[in-house]
Amino acid sequence: NAGVMQNPRHLVRRRGQEARLRCSPMKGHSHVYWYRQLPEEGLKFMVYLQKENIIDESGMPKERFSAEFPKEGPSILRIQQVVRGDSAAYFCASSFFTGELFFGEGSRLTVL
Amino acid sequence: KQEVTQIPAALSVPEGENLVLNCSFTDSAIYNLQWFRQDPGKGLTSLLLIQSSQREQTSGRLNASLDKSSGRSTLYIAASQPGDSATYLCAVEDTGRRALTFGSGTRLQVQP
Repeated sequence: NAGVMQNPRHLVRRRGQEARLRCSPMKGHSHVYWYRQLPEEGLKFMVYLQKENIIDESGMPKERFSAEFPKEGPSILRIQQVVRGDSAAYFCASSFFTGELFFGEGSRLTVL
Repeated sequence: KQEVTQIPAALSVPEGENLVLNCSFTDSAIYNLQWFRQDPGKGLTSLLLIQSSQREQTSGRLNASLDKSSGRSTLYIAASQPGDSATYLCAVEDTGRRALTFGSGTRLQVQP
């Protein structure tokens, strides 16, 4: 039973480009969460999604960031017009409706 | 707004010692509390999850306790080993909200 799969593991973008991060949840999990870990800081919640629904996006920056979890395929976190401050590790987690969250290995974004 | 604090921020101990990591949270209306381990450059590994109705959970050499009324949890590691070296993160899930609030972590170094 594969764990939470994230790709790419490392992504380098220049300022102004777009970054797309993908997350495939554990088998049987229909709830996906995105967290961001800035350098030398703790993990911060960004967004919680179920299939085709955004449940809680209270942690998402108001501009440039969006997330989706389509009926088929992985969840996508999209960052438009990246800036240096977006450089961070982005972690995806999945779960059943309640209970334990299982995290992926993260995607590390570097903005030049 | 929930805030989670972990003390100490860093800890270095010789192999074989028993140790305690502390976590406190400001809002006692939690659904559960989860302890994670994070190795450098890696994702999070779930160690223990304590439901709000429980007082403790045990897994091998790890024991986590929860005192919801006082807003505290401790992670006890028995007979520490160099392989336990990592950052340990405490996270709470508030009642009615699936987002986790993380502490900043305790960086543990176990010296051989």
